[in-house]
This record gives sequence, structure tokens and C-alpha cells, in this order.
Amino acid sequence: GDSVTQMEGPVTLSEEAFLTINCTYTATGYPSLFWYVQYPGEGLQLLLKATKADDKGSNKGFEATYRKETTSFHLEKGSVQVSDSAVYFCALVLSYNTDKLIFGTGTRLQVFP
Amino acid sequence: GAVVSQHPSRVICKSGTSVKIECRSLDFQATTMFWYRQFPKQSLMLMATSNEGSKATYEQGVEKDKFLINHASLTLSTLTVTSAHPEDSSFYICSAPDSHSNQPQHFGDGTRLSIL
Repeated sequence: GDSVTQMEGPVTLSEEAFLTINCTYTATGYPSLFWYVQYPGEGLQLLLKATKADDKGSNKGFEATYRKETTSFHLEKGSVQVSDSAVYFCALVLSYNTDKLIFGTGTRLQVFP
Repeated sequence: GAVVSQHPSRVICKSGTSVKIECRSLDFQATTMFWYRQFPKQSLMLMATSNEGSKATYEQGVEKDKFLINHASLTLSTLTVTSAHPEDSSFYICSAPDSHSNQPQHFGDGTRLSIL
């Protein structure tokens, strides 16, 4: 079945370090891909998205490129801040706006000053 | 502002109590809503798909009689945890697809349920 696999956390970094959180997917069709972020005590927020191969989603300094050949959508940021500490979820949907989202298990990021 | 309102945000109650959680779409109609449960180690599990005017579709392993879902209107879905026990303590999140949005779904802020 369709699934999303993320690297296990927690990921612990110092401020201004480079971040990569790996995400790979398995899907029967042509999914749209997303990264969601959950700050402590809050709900999910859409961070960025890509709807087709080679698209790059970006927001708040985060980037992820839809790689069909490697079925990946890795999240990167060049210089993390303490305020980026949160749980990050990779997700896919097969039918935009109508279908359920399939989430990875989430990766906790902890950034220290 | 929020486009999906989830209420209450936090519930603490005794074992055996039934708890109702509401999920409302504020400025759009949602014929479908999704209910997720988030476990302590972060994973987000889809529990069921709520369908306006018809029965909910439950994921495998989710007890229909324990988690009652009602989608009585195009803007409201409710999840009732019946006779809740400590193992039902969790973070419950709803979402609703919006065909006019650039996001696939809008999420509620979640409900933290704690059963004593």
C-alpha cells in the first residue's frame, strides 16, 4: 500500500547548523507531497508542498524537492534556529483536496543555542 | 485565521465518561472530514473518514462502537469516545479537505484527551 517513511528522531542540532530530514514514499499513482510542522502543544501546519516531479517546495528557509526517480522528498534548511524546534511530518496524498493524507511517523527536531 | 475549529482543546475526565469532540469547517463546506489520533511517540494514525449524511468509514483496527462519528451537516463532524478509559488518552486531530484551497486539507488544533 501507499506509505511514507521518515528518518527517526530526535534530530539534535546547534543553532545555525544545516538540517536534513529524510523522507521516502511508496505510492501507486502520482502523489502530491507535503511537509507539515507541529510546534509544541499545537496542531499541524502546512510547511511546504510539491505536486509533481522536480517541483521544489519552499517556505521559511526550508526546502524540499520532489524526486520521482528516488521517490524522495527530503527536507532541508541551511541554518536552523531554536524556534525551528518542532516535530516534522512528511505526507502524501493521491487525490488532492479529496483524499486522506498518509503521514510518516514524524521527526522531532531539537535546536539548541 | 483558523478555517477548521476543533473543540474542546483539552478534556480531563474520569474513566467511564463519554467525551464528544467537535470539528467545524468555518467558511467552507466539507462533505468529508478525517479524524486522526496521535500517539505519544508522534505517529499520526487515521482513525476514520467522516462522510456527511452517511456512515463513517473506519480504518482497520479502529472500534466503531468505541469511537462514534457523526457528520450531520456540511460544516460539522463529531467524534464521541464512549466509555473512555485511560488507554484512550491521546491527542485527537480532525481535518477537512477544501476544494477551493491550495492546501489539501485544513487541520483543527487538536484535542488533548486525558482519562483518569
